[in-house]
Amino acid sequence: GAGVSQSPRYKVAKRGQDVALRCDPISGHVSLFWYQQALGQGPEFLTYFQNEAQLDKSGLPSDRFFAERPEGSVSTLKIQRTQQEDSAVYLCASSSGVAGFSYNEQFFGPGTRLTVL
Amino acid sequence: QQQVKQSPQSLIVQKGGISIINCAYENTAFDYFPWYQQFPGKGPALLIAIRPDVSEKKEGRFTISFNKSAKQFSLHIMDSQPGDSATYFCAASFYAGNMLTFGGGTRLMVKP
Repeated sequence: GAGVSQSPRYKVAKRGQDVALRCDPISGHVSLFWYQQALGQGPEFLTYFQNEAQLDKSGLPSDRFFAERPEGSVSTLKIQRTQQEDSAVYLCASSSGVAGFSYNEQFFGPGTRLTVL
Repeated sequence: QQQVKQSPQSLIVQKGGISIINCAYENTAFDYFPWYQQFPGKGPALLIAIRPDVSEKKEGRFTISFNKSAKQFSLHIMDSQPGDSATYFCAASFYAGNMLTFGGGTRLMVKP
């Protein structure tokens, strides 16, 4: 079956532009995570959804970052007024389990590489 | 605050050798410790994971050793192959299935 897919794979934005990054999780997966991976670094947690509910957004670096998952499947990460420090790979992961109740593997997508000029 | 520290940053091993990557964590509330493998242009993929109630877990050529008192865990890759050349990340999480806290990564190169 299909894994986690993300689009676009590459995005170049001028400083100040808004961008939207899409994540299609594995069908039926309840949990969805967004991570930010700077060049040469490990991924860092941004936010977590259980179905359509955003239960944890403690990792979002500023109020310019916004995520949604309105129907509990596809998720979109939006970054407003992009800055150069937003340049990174944005990874989406999904899991069949519910956080806090099961040891379920997180399956990662290939990521979207965002470059802000 | 870096909660999971990983070393070395890079590692070169000859084919057939043993690759060893180490991680140390700070928060004793972590209870799930996975290792991920990442190839260029791909997302991380789970290799093997351990919980703190066991000291070692082996799957094929990959072994995790866990030292709860020292708050350290390591990945051993036996009989390393060129196809193992990738970046490896240790991680930790609270409870089950919760957000992952990653180490900084180790870039492994296995020479033929």
